[in-house]
Amino acid sequence: AQSVTQLGSHVSVSEGALVLLRCNYSSSVPPYLFWYVQYPNQGLQLLLKYTSAATLVKGINGFEAEFKKSETSFHLTKPSAHMSDAAEYFCAVSDRRGYQKVTFGTGTKLQVIP
Amino acid sequence: DGGITQSPKYLFRKEGQNVTLSCEQNLNHDAMYWYRQDPGQGLRLIYYSQIVNDFQKGDIAEGYSVSREKKESFPLTVTSAQKNPTAFYLCASSIDLWDRAINEKLFFGSGTQLSVL
Repeated sequence: AQSVTQLGSHVSVSEGALVLLRCNYSSSVPPYLFWYVQYPNQGLQLLLKYTSAATLVKGINGFEAEFKKSETSFHLTKPSAHMSDAAEYFCAVSDRRGYQKVTFGTGTKLQVIP
Repeated sequence: DGGITQSPKYLFRKEGQNVTLSCEQNLNHDAMYWYRQDPGQGLRLIYYSQIVNDFQKGDIAEGYSVSREKKESFPLTVTSAQKNPTAFYLCASSIDLWDRAINEKLFFGSGTQLSVL
């Protein structure tokens, strides 16, 4: 079985500060990992994904994530938060058998304080 | 522009009533999915379809039904058997279900908020 744990359902940062959203995964096989962003009353958009190429993955809007097998982590970071980054972020894991096998985390709401 | 269209944006259900949520895509994707989103619980898969006239139960299919008569359409019916239907429902699509899909994106609609009167 696979699972993801997102630490912190709510995270607040000041505008311009570092954003760090934590995700730890569990998978019996080498996983694919994803971060999605959801703005209020909208669907999810893919930020970035890890599919066994480079362990440091760069995504849209200045976000990046690093796959660390030894720590079973895939934390999302951005050096400088912008007001427009306020949204809910979901980490997800797949055991590579397709999207019907993707497991989503419970989400982290990011608040950016002016 | 290609994408996924969900309608209506808001829907209200009376007790004992069946309601149908619409999902249409013009991305020419083979695979389509329905997710349920509850606060603090992430997304849970209700049903998915790999191809026209075929669909499979996801993790929480009880109280729901779907059809896939056309490639571009995957409507979800919330039946009266679903005792706790209040949630945000998201439709999604991908090129296909298998490994090739992972190399592409999962596309989401903008969702339907279902509430019980």
